[in-house]
Amino acid sequence: QKEVEQNSGPLSVPEGAIASLNCTYSDRGSQSFFWYRQYSGKSPELIMSIYSNGDKEDGRFTAQLNKASQYVSLLIRDSQPSDSATYLCAVNRGYSTLTFGKGTMLLVSP
Amino acid sequence: DAGVTQSPTHLIKTRGQQVTLRCSPKSGHDTVSWYQQALGQGPQFIFQYYEEEERQRGNFPDRFSGHQFPNYSSELNVNALLLGDSALYLCASRPPGTGNIQYFGAGTRLSVL
Repeated sequence: QKEVEQNSGPLSVPEGAIASLNCTYSDRGSQSFFWYRQYSGKSPELIMSIYSNGDKEDGRFTAQLNKASQYVSLLIRDSQPSDSATYLCAVNRGYSTLTFGKGTMLLVSP
Repeated sequence: DAGVTQSPTHLIKTRGQQVTLRCSPKSGHDTVSWYQQALGQGPQFIFQYYEEEERQRGNFPDRFSGHQFPNYSSELNVNALLLGDSALYLCASRPPGTGNIQYFGAGTRLSVL
């Protein structure tokens, strides 16, 4: 059974700190990895995609992928209160559908 | 350029009733997927439509059915509603030939009483 595991949190960090969100997956054939941000009562919004081992940076966000360890992470630098949301990790193989984790709630305090 | 649009935004039904939710994909997108998101959970895949056919299906009963029209828009139908069907229903669309990046609509919040 394909699974994606995330710590539900909440993860609390002060404003300006680095937030580190982690995700593990069970399907070794997974090829694409995504991080979505979801504000309460809203729909998921894609913030990062990563396909190969290593780091990918986009502004304050860095996604890290380690396929050998079946591990994906998202770092948010200079965290802002507006980053407070639930972060969903999603994986897929080929053109199959996305499998999501339950999400990690991030709380950034001013 | 309009994104993925869903209607209605909110819906209240009673047990045993039937419901139809609608989705218009982002312009240029040809694949539509439906997800159910219960409170505190991640989205769960229901099914995916491409070229007006159901291409993949998740672990949902036959009470859940769908359709895709020639203009790529899609409907999700749920029959014999149960209390447990209360959730946020999300539609996501994907452009052709670009891997599996999916863009979500705002969702339809369904409450079954």
